[in-house]
This record gives sequence, structure tokens and C-alpha cells, in this order.
Amino acid sequence: NAGVTQTPKFQVLKTGQSMTLQCAQDMNHEYMSWYRQDPGMGLRLIHYSVGAGITDQGEVPNGYNVSRSTTEDFPLRLLSAAPSQTSVYFCASSSYSRGWGTEAFFGQGTRLTVV
Amino acid sequence: GNSVTQMEGPVTLSEEAFLTINCTYTATGYPSLFWYVQYPGEGLQLLLKATKADDKGSNKGFEATYRKETTSFHLEKGSVQVSDSAVYFCALTESTGGSYIPTFGRGTSLIVHP
Repeated sequence: NAGVTQTPKFQVLKTGQSMTLQCAQDMNHEYMSWYRQDPGMGLRLIHYSVGAGITDQGEVPNGYNVSRSTTEDFPLRLLSAAPSQTSVYFCASSSYSRGWGTEAFFGQGTRLTVV
Repeated sequence: GNSVTQMEGPVTLSEEAFLTINCTYTATGYPSLFWYVQYPGEGLQLLLKATKADDKGSNKGFEATYRKETTSFHLEKGSVQVSDSAVYFCALTESTGGSYIPTFGRGTSLIVHP
């Protein structure tokens, strides 16, 4: 089982560059989300999706775009990278078809540095 | 809104010591509660969970009991090992407005020395 796959694992960008972080899941989960993890800040929700074609903003959406054209994929786009976006990014998926007692599954993370 | 508060770390213990990591929550409804663990360089993975009051979740020697009266879900282990060194996140989910996106605490780093 692949679970949640994120690519790339590491990335260095120059200020102003754009890029897309990829996330794919093979569990047919309807919920997908993106978090960033910074020291002392825990996990902060960037964007999330409750199904194909439906996305919404989380706690820290500025500077990021998402789309959900398929159930499997949920890419995160950095429009114009800034040093403040240096972080570790995690994608997660979950399914609550049997209630909200089921857990989220996480990818391995993408460590992004903006110089 | 929902929120989760965890004790700040790092928590530093010697091997075989007793561990408690406190977690309290605020929720508008009746949440499910989780502990996730993150080992160095990895993503989060489920450690244990509880879905109703007085339930006890357990896994790998870790335990936590859902206490509705004190809105708490404290993580305990009787004898920690060096391999337990990781970051531990308390989290909740509930059906608020039809969204099941988890709410996480800030994480507590555990360091276990031989």
C-alpha cells in the first residue's frame, strides 16, 4: 500500500520562483489537506478539500493555491516563493464515511527552503 | 471553535521512566480524540485513539483515557525507551459544519536518554 505520497522530499527555491508540491493518495479518501510545520508552531492548516472539485482555505492560506480535479491528487502551488514559506509541508488524507473516529494518514513531508 | 492544548516540551526522561504528556481540548460537539507520533524525518502516524467518553486507547505500551468531565486525553507510558524519542501530537475531529478536518495541538517533543 502506497498510502499518501508526496514529492519532492526536498526542494530549494529562490525568492519569487513558483513551484508545485505534489500529493497523491490511493485509498479513495474524500478528505485531503495540506499543513505546514514550523518550530514551536505545530501543524497549521493551509488548504483542504472535502472532495473532487471542492477546496477551502485553512488557517494560513496566503501565498498558496490548491485544486482538486481528481479524488487521488491534491497539489499545492506556491505562486511566488518567499523566505517565510521555508517550512516542512505535509499532505494528509482521511475518510469519514463511517464517522469521525477514523484517523488521518500523512505523507512523509516536503522540506522546502526559500533563499 | 475547536482547540487542543498540549504541555510544552521538550520532555526529557531517562530510559524506564514514567511518561505523562497532558492534553486538554475545547470542542463544540462530541469529538473523537487521537494521539499521533512523528519520528525524526517522518510524517505523523496514528498512535492511539478514543471515540467516546471513558474509552481507553492503547498501543505500544502507551495509553490515554477520554475524560469528558475534564475535557482531557493525557498520554501515559509506564516505562519509556530510547526508541520512543519523537514528537507527540494530540488531535481531535468532529463533525462541525460537515467538516472533519483534524485540529492538532502544537506537539510535545520527547527525548529519552539511555
